[in-house]
Amino acid sequence: DIVMTQSPDSLAVSLGERATINCKSSQSVLYSPNNKNYLAWYQQKPGQPPKVLIYWASTRESGVPDRFSGSGSGTDFTLSISSLQPEDVAFYYCQHSYNLPYTFGQGTNLEIK
Amino acid sequence: QVQLQQSGPGLVKPSQTLSLTCAISGDSVSNSGATWDWIRQSPSRGLEWLGRTYYRSNWNNNYTESLKSRITIKPDTSKNQFSLQLNSVTPEDTAVYYCARLLAATGTFDCWGQGTLVTVSS
Repeated sequence: DIVMTQSPDSLAVSLGERATINCKSSQSVLYSPNNKNYLAWYQQKPGQPPKVLIYWASTRESGVPDRFSGSGSGTDFTLSISSLQPEDVAFYYCQHSYNLPYTFGQGTNLEIK
Repeated sequence: QVQLQQSGPGLVKPSQTLSLTCAISGDSVSNSGATWDWIRQSPSRGLEWLGRTYYRSNWNNNYTESLKSRITIKPDTSKNQFSLQLNSVTPEDTAVYYCARLLAATGTFDCWGQGTLVTVSS
């Protein structure tokens, strides 16, 4: 199984500042035939299911604000929020879909400083 | 707009069977561009993918290795829904269970059910 490891486990950022969350996979999730990384980022608020923000490591899901961006390739990935808003307080998870079983990172708790 | 509506009991006794259903609106369980998955979430295990059913000329299933002997996921085309059965449950199976659609093209769970907290207790 591919192990997804996020850092940090929790993060406190001031409103308007940049937040950065990292995700490392135990093996590459880059699918060579189409050169796409099968890595997604999700946001989860209390009492709600996860919501997809980013797929293919850097493609923003429709309707997601452009302050959210993803980067990285192979085994190392980053989710950035350029200017933190109050509504961004949530848990964030990375997830791979390179092969079965799909696995998720342990989550990062993003709070306001 | 695709919506997934979960139903099923929130309390199951140890050694019994956990059964949940996920009704689909706005899409078809036979959609060959999607898979229909179950995921659970608990403080001890985090988000854990359990398995899926999908149609590609015929029906297919995949399950996570640790649950293969206890889990069944089945489609119901007449009701446009799919179900989860987990046998011989223990308190370790206590979790919030989600159904979700995965889009094959992007590999993302783009639509989720509302979640069902299932507690295994006598």
